[in-house]
Amino acid sequence: DAGVIQSPRHEVTEMGQEVTLRCKPISGHNSLFWYRQTMMRGLELLIYFNNNVPIDDSGMPEDRFSAKMPNASFSTLKIQPSEPRDSAVYFCASSFAGGLGELFFGEGSRLTVL
Amino acid sequence: GQQVMQIPQYQHVQEGEDFTTYCNSSTTLSNIQWYKQRPGGHPVFLIQLVKSGEVKKQKRLTFQFGEAKKNSSLHITATQTTDVGTYFCAGPLIQGAQKLVFGQGTRLTINP
Repeated sequence: DAGVIQSPRHEVTEMGQEVTLRCKPISGHNSLFWYRQTMMRGLELLIYFNNNVPIDDSGMPEDRFSAKMPNASFSTLKIQPSEPRDSAVYFCASSFAGGLGELFFGEGSRLTVL
Repeated sequence: GQQVMQIPQYQHVQEGEDFTTYCNSSTTLSNIQWYKQRPGGHPVFLIQLVKSGEVKKQKRLTFQFGEAKKNSSLHITATQTTDVGTYFCAGPLIQGAQKLVFGQGTRLTINP
């Protein structure tokens, strides 16, 4: 099994640019989570999907952030426009049973906004 | 609001010493999970505890879930350099919810 696959692994962009992060969950998993990790705020849950439907997006910082899951094997997290304070590592994770079971994390996308 | 609090934030030990991190929730948890993140890596699942008062062991690691299911601990006996990393607890703060919230983590460093 390839595990959760995220791309890009690293992205450096300038303030105001659009950023799209991608995630392919493990086949058969029905829940997908987007987390953001910074030194100051730790691991923050941004949004999670169950069966491709967004269940809770209360962690999304503001309207500049949006996430989609058009099918069971693909999700995107988009930031438009990006700001320096968005610099962080963004993790995607998937599971069989949401927060009631083990989460499998991708290797993360490290975003730097200049 | 509902939170998962973890202490200490940092812990530095000599190799061979024991290490413990504690996790407390403001609400009862249906289960608690523990993850380890190596420097530069991603969180990796260690274990899940479900029952009140449950104790599980993995080699030198001992995990406990409190009787009230509001707190948990991870104890490492005789640390080794391979134990370096950040240890997180996580729990679904709303009964039956799939919203897994992580504690702030305890970063363990070890002097060889």
